[in-house]
Amino acid sequence: QVQLQESGPGLVKPSETLSLTCSVSGGSFTNYYWTWIRQPPEKGLEWIGYIHYSGSTNYNPSLKSRVTISLDTSKNQFSLRLNSVTAADTAVYYCAKGGGLTYDSWGQGTLVTVSS
Amino acid sequence: DIVMTQSPDSLAVSLGERATINCKSSQSVLSRSNNRDYLAWYQLKPGQSPKLLIFWASTRESGVPGRFSGSGSETDFTLTISSLQAEDVAVYYCQQYYSPPWTFGQGTKVEIK
Repeated sequence: QVQLQESGPGLVKPSETLSLTCSVSGGSFTNYYWTWIRQPPEKGLEWIGYIHYSGSTNYNPSLKSRVTISLDTSKNQFSLRLNSVTAADTAVYYCAKGGGLTYDSWGQGTLVTVSS
Repeated sequence: DIVMTQSPDSLAVSLGERATINCKSSQSVLSRSNNRDYLAWYQLKPGQSPKLLIFWASTRESGVPGRFSGSGSETDFTLTISSLQAEDVAVYYCQQYYSPPWTFGQGTKVEIK
């Protein structure tokens, strides 16, 4: 079973850029979709977007203007960048394996707080 | 966007009793081309990775105990835990993958009575 682990700063200032990386181990990185999902405090899950191993991406329209998901195939990693963050972007961020269907492996999640 | 609405928001069930969670989508998630409902269920426990339980509305993921079952079609779905165990305490989410952006229900918290 593939394992995923999120990493990155737990605190980001308003208007700055949130950057997270997901490291994938224990399985194939190729020919799959890789996804970011978040959960704000006391709220439900929100799909952010995915990237395919080929490099194609698909983003949630509500975040599309601020989001970039990229791949580093040499390191079996994929990354999330979210620009111009506000307090509304405070959430637990999960990376997951899967794209346009279901997500069969997830990271444990990392809390990112947006605050000055 | 397809809005997913779960009910109840929380429920408390005695050990060994049945737990039933409902999920309603704002539009059908049934594909007429393959007659499949694009609906999944996940389990989230604090401090753990979320876990896929059910996909195609009623297919159990490998390794998921048989006490978990999914049913329903088009817009109305149910996750049933036939005999609640202590380790089933969690928040459960439904998700539609019929139409992007893929959306989740607000979650149902299951506790022991």
